[in-house]
Amino acid sequence: AQSVAQPEDQVNVAEGNPLTVKCTYSVSGNPYLFWYVQYPNRGLQFLLKYITGDNLVKGSYGFEAEFNKSQTSFHLKKPSALVSDSALYFCAVRPVPRAGNNRKLIWGLGTSLAVNP
Amino acid sequence: DTGVSQNPRHKITKRGQNVTFRCDPISEHNRLYWYRQTLGQGPEFLTYFQNEAQLEKSRLLSDRFSAERPKGSFSTLEIQRTEQGDSAMYLCASSSEGAVMNTEAFFGQGTRLTVV
Repeated sequence: AQSVAQPEDQVNVAEGNPLTVKCTYSVSGNPYLFWYVQYPNRGLQFLLKYITGDNLVKGSYGFEAEFNKSQTSFHLKKPSALVSDSALYFCAVRPVPRAGNNRKLIWGLGTSLAVNP
Repeated sequence: DTGVSQNPRHKITKRGQNVTFRCDPISEHNRLYWYRQTLGQGPEFLTYFQNEAQLEKSRLLSDRFSAERPKGSFSTLEIQRTEQGDSAMYLCASSSEGAVMNTEAFFGQGTRLTVV
């Protein structure tokens, strides 16, 4: 079965320190990979995506993510965390479009990031 | 505001009542998705449309749930005879199908349903 795993329910970092939020996936082929962020009582905001090309992709708010095909991972990173980065982060995977494939996103369960001042 | 718009933002209803939510996607997007999210969980797929055609409906969705997108623009999600277990955030998203690079879905703010 296709799945996305975010192994950490919560990540705590001190402001100014680098942060990593982990994501691994089990999806056949070369899927499209996404990170979304959700602030309290808000919808999901798109952060960044990997389709093809450079394994390091840059997104909104200074976030970046590194695609590792051999490890089937797509970890989210930021060199220097801000208190305002505290939110819920979701990794999502979309299988490569094929006939009969509805291309809906497969979601991880989310990781709560807390950045402490 | 050209983002995805959902109305209402909050809805409190008594058990057994019917509720209807509306989603206005980004205008040029031909795909529209409905998700449900409960506290501490990721989004749970409910259904999606390409233009006006409903192409998939989750098996988790009971017969009390119905969605429409009559003109391929806005969509409505109706829940009949609401139950307390229906309490959740209902999220709508849209995307543009076709161009490979425009694959991300954009979400609305969600409608939070509380069934009392």
